[in-house]
Amino acid sequence: SQTIHQWPATLVQPVGSPLSLECTVEGTSNPNLYWYRQAAGRGLQLLFYSVGIGQISSEVPQNLSASRPQDRQFILSSKKLLLSDSGFYLCAWSPPGTTGNTEAFFGQGTRLTVV
Amino acid sequence: AQSVSQHNHHVILSEAASLELGCNYSYGGTVNLFWYVQYPGQHLQLLLKYFSGDPLVKGIKGFEAEFIKSKFSFNLRKPSVQWSDTAEYFCAVRGLSGGYNKLIFGAGTRLAVHP
Repeated sequence: SQTIHQWPATLVQPVGSPLSLECTVEGTSNPNLYWYRQAAGRGLQLLFYSVGIGQISSEVPQNLSASRPQDRQFILSSKKLLLSDSGFYLCAWSPPGTTGNTEAFFGQGTRLTVV
Repeated sequence: AQSVSQHNHHVILSEAASLELGCNYSYGGTVNLFWYVQYPGQHLQLLLKYFSGDPLVKGIKGFEAEFIKSKFSFNLRKPSVQWSDTAEYFCAVRGLSGGYNKLIFGAGTRLAVHP
């Protein structure tokens, strides 16, 4: 069966420090991968999605970037964190292909606090 | 561009009351539609989904949703809510035209059910 791992679960970082959140999926190949940020009252905001290695689409201009160095690995990064980057970050995957008819499966999330 | 609108941000009900949560989307082509639920302290999980066929779909825990294509709506319903239905509910849409795989969420509706 497929599983998704996201870490760390919580993170406290000072302003200006770098960020690296990692997400890996097991049990499938070439999944579609997503990074979301969940903020109170704003729901889940899609940040990045990827349909394959090295293929990243950015939805919201911001202080963050994403990379997919391996088929089942999706990394969310920042060179210098801002206070406004605080939030709850969720990684998700869905089966490969562009024909849809698939649901997305979510990781447990990372609570990031920038101080 | 894809977008999802959930009409109610907060809903308070008594047990046994009926529930209807509104969801409208904006997308010109074929779509997949989803409702996800997030119980307090837990990760997002799928409540129900619509891909094609019967526009009335049934999900877990007695929930159902009706896809009305002419209204671009996918409202969630439950005839009689329970205290355990207290959670945040998210409507989501994936547009299928042009090779898109983006899964876009609404802002969410917080449901509180009082005994």
